[in-house]
Amino acid sequence: DIQLTQSPSFLSASVGDRVTITCRASQGISSYLAWYQQKPGKAPKLLIYAASTLQSGVPSRFSGSGSGTEFTLTVSSLQPEDFATYYCQHLTTYPLFGGGTKVEIK
Amino acid sequence: EVQLVESGGGLVQPGGSLRLSCAASGFSFSSYSMNWVRQAPGKGLEWVSFIGSMTLYAESVKGRFTISRDNAKNSVFLQMNSLRADDTAVYFCARDGGLGPSFCSGGTCYSRSFDIWGQGTMVTVSS
Repeated sequence: DIQLTQSPSFLSASVGDRVTITCRASQGISSYLAWYQQKPGKAPKLLIYAASTLQSGVPSRFSGSGSGTEFTLTVSSLQPEDFATYYCQHLTTYPLFGGGTKVEIK
Repeated sequence: EVQLVESGGGLVQPGGSLRLSCAASGFSFSSYSMNWVRQAPGKGLEWVSFIGSMTLYAESVKGRFTISRDNAKNSVFLQMNSLRADDTAVYFCARDGGLGPSFCSGGTCYSRSFDIWGQGTMVTVSS
């Protein structure tokens, strides 16, 4: 099975910071990758699909890039509502998730 | 409003069974593939099962869980048998939104990103 490794696992940042989260796949997955945001006690929310396409309604400060084995999710200017846990997911055969990155307030 | 609502969770003893339901509304349910995803307390997301042109299961539940759907009732189900303590989790149903390209291999096309999620239902396996 394809494994996804997210880094860092925890990230401490301030409002206004530029934040980048990395997701590495154990083998090439082209652009079959999605990013989700999850807040405590809530269901995940789709942010990015096909590695770089912004889901409708998601603020443009979120962006995704990469293909093959290395992908990034960037928040250009962190807002108070962005403090959450972020997951990548590959969408080849079994749609497995990465381990998550918790973004906390510094 | 596009919505998914799960039900059927609860407390069950190890070795027991439970059937989860997910009721869809606000969209043409029969046109979409569906998934179940779970999250153990304090842990990350774990994909469990998919139903589209075929069914798929995570290795951890294969042979114990069965996914099915009833398009007339706009519902997807997860029958869980031989439950274990490590099945304790919040279970979410999620729609394959049909967004972007689908990975296809050997004539089979797999799930795309999950655009709509239910609120989740808690399953606790404990004696």
